[in-house]
Amino acid sequence: DQQVKQNSPSLSVQEGRISILNCDYTNSMFDYFLWYKKYPAEGPTFLISISSIKDKNEDGRFTVFLNKSAKHLSLHIVPSQPGDSAVYFCAALSTGSNYKLTFGKGTLLTVNP
Amino acid sequence: KAGVTQTPRYLIKTRGQQVTLSCSPISGHRSVSWYQQTPGQGLQFLFEYFSETQRNKGNFPGRFSGRQFSNSRSEMNVSTLELGDSALYLCASSWRQGDGYTFGSGTRLTVV
Repeated sequence: DQQVKQNSPSLSVQEGRISILNCDYTNSMFDYFLWYKKYPAEGPTFLISISSIKDKNEDGRFTVFLNKSAKHLSLHIVPSQPGDSAVYFCAALSTGSNYKLTFGKGTLLTVNP
Repeated sequence: KAGVTQTPRYLIKTRGQQVTLSCSPISGHRSVSWYQQTPGQGLQFLFEYFSETQRNKGNFPGRFSGRQFSNSRSEMNVSTLELGDSALYLCASSWRQGDGYTFGSGTRLTVV
């Protein structure tokens, strides 16, 4: 039972354009969502998070949108840069229960110069 | 400030052996979590320790165990290794549960 789903295994975008990475979840108990970026042979690096009481959070080039009714969140990267090329993981947790991070399987983003 | 340190970075073991992996969290962080990353399953939660107590456990067999010491350093142990245990094992720490997890670079375990 995959509670956090990233349905696109890969995404290719031109430098300077917008990258949109999507994530769906099924567990309505999740109330905190995070995006991580991962390069090969390194651990995930925290990018941005959003609480379920918000619908948008912005940090520089990164914006996360949350649609609770659709149980969907997305990460927008504008403008995309070649250095953004990495695997992006969506993660969710329930702060009221066990605090464990449940990850999606990741989306490989390639930003072409 | 030093990040999360995992040792060793790479490890090769044979089936049936046991292995111990180490994680030193960021200074001041009391929560340490362990995750297994495999190509097919992505990142899966193993367990979480907070102030030397195991707070949460994922759906892994009893061969996987861990502990946390008074200085917040944590170890995980896998006994009777199987080929399917080959994976990247990641440790994450935070100063409190549910916030600001920082990951280490991981230990790449290969079981042959």
